[in-house]
Amino acid sequence: AQTVTQSQPEMSVQEAETVTLSCTYDTSESNYYLFWYKQPPSRQMILVIRQEAYKQQNATENRFSVNFQKAAKSFSLKISDSQLGDTAMYFCAFSGAAGNKLTFGGGTRVLVKP
Amino acid sequence: DSGVTQTPKHLITATGQRVTLRCSPRSGDLSVYWYQQSLDQGLQFLIQYYNGEERAKGNILERFSAQQFPDLHSELNLSSLELGDSALYFCASSADSRSYEQYFGPGTRLTVT
Repeated sequence: AQTVTQSQPEMSVQEAETVTLSCTYDTSESNYYLFWYKQPPSRQMILVIRQEAYKQQNATENRFSVNFQKAAKSFSLKISDSQLGDTAMYFCAFSGAAGNKLTFGGGTRVLVKP
Repeated sequence: DSGVTQTPKHLITATGQRVTLRCSPRSGDLSVYWYQQSLDQGLQFLIQYYNGEERAKGNILERFSAQQFPDLHSELNLSSLELGDSALYFCASSADSRSYEQYFGPGTRLTVT
């Protein structure tokens, strides 16, 4: 079974600064997908970024980028130029080749301070 | 707005009761997934339906059941409710059975008293 671990329960960052969230996972599969979801206080789950394991190039979405290290089974999220609206819980998630479920980490709470 | 709708938004009920949560997927999506988010268990996959058929099962209790109807909406039935069933229940949808992008609804907050 796959497991996803987020070792940082909470992080704070000043507005306009950069913050990096860590995620490690365990799987025996070679083809899979990784995601970061954002859950703001409204509780809505919002897809931030995704990475296909077979792609070596790290995914980027505007101010959000990932550092995917397949051999180390590491998938970190970098939020650049942090904004107050980035305050939320961030969940790392794994989807295997079957693509029929997401396995989530425990989440990291990010607080952006003005 | 993800295009996935869930009703009701909030539900308060007593132990031992039965409730039904409803989900309508995004237009064109054939797969529906149910997840439970609780303080002690985190976010857990419960079950997936694809085009009316059960496709995958996760940590779903026997007291819980789900189905997907011909119009592709889905219902999650929770019976003999216990205090520990209090949680946020999410529905997500994707285009097909192996889509790697799931879009989440706003969730149903269930409180069992």
